[in-house]
Amino acid sequence: AQSVTQLDSQVPVFEEAPVELRCNYSSSVSVYLFWYVQYPNQGLQLLLKYLSGSTLVKGINGFEAEFNKSQTSFHLRKPSVHISDTAEYFCAVSENGANNLFFGTGTRLTVIP
Amino acid sequence: SQTIHQWPATLVQPVGSPLSLECTVEGTSNPNLYWYRQAAGRGLQLLFYSVGIGQISSEVPQNLSASRPQDRQFILSSKKLLLSDSGFYLCAWSVGVNYEQYFGPGTRLTVT
Repeated sequence: AQSVTQLDSQVPVFEEAPVELRCNYSSSVSVYLFWYVQYPNQGLQLLLKYLSGSTLVKGINGFEAEFNKSQTSFHLRKPSVHISDTAEYFCAVSENGANNLFFGTGTRLTVIP
Repeated sequence: SQTIHQWPATLVQPVGSPLSLECTVEGTSNPNLYWYRQAAGRGLQLLFYSVGIGQISSEVPQNLSASRPQDRQFILSSKKLLLSDSGFYLCAWSVGVNYEQYFGPGTRLTVT
């Protein structure tokens, strides 16, 4: 069965510091990978996606993620965070040919001034 | 461009009362449509998805139901709400082969 693990439920980080939010998945078939951001009381917004090709994917707001097939990971990174990056971040996985996305439990990023 | 609407934005309902949440999508045809629930401090749980009018798949047994009376309309219903139905309900759509989903603004439901 497919599953998505976000090990860190909360990540505090100082403004302008780098951050990495971890995501691991389990699947026996090829996958598509996504990161979403959710600001308080809002829906989810797509940050970036990996479908195929280059394993380093760049998204909006300066975020990037790297697909590592051997480690079944898709960690999200940003070299310098802003106060406005404070939000909940969700990793999601879709198996090839499936309609559904499987979401992790989310990581709350708090940027400290 | 495509947009997705959900209403109401917030709702407070007593236990045992009925529920109807509506989601509509504009600017696309024959989308896949999804209902998720997000409980406090937890991730997203897929409740229902639909690939076409009248076609509903249920992911989790519960006292909720979904209907798709029109191509771009998706409704979440309950005949009798439970306290455990409280949460943030999100509608989403997708189309084509990219599998990314686009989310609506959500409805916060509090069952008292």
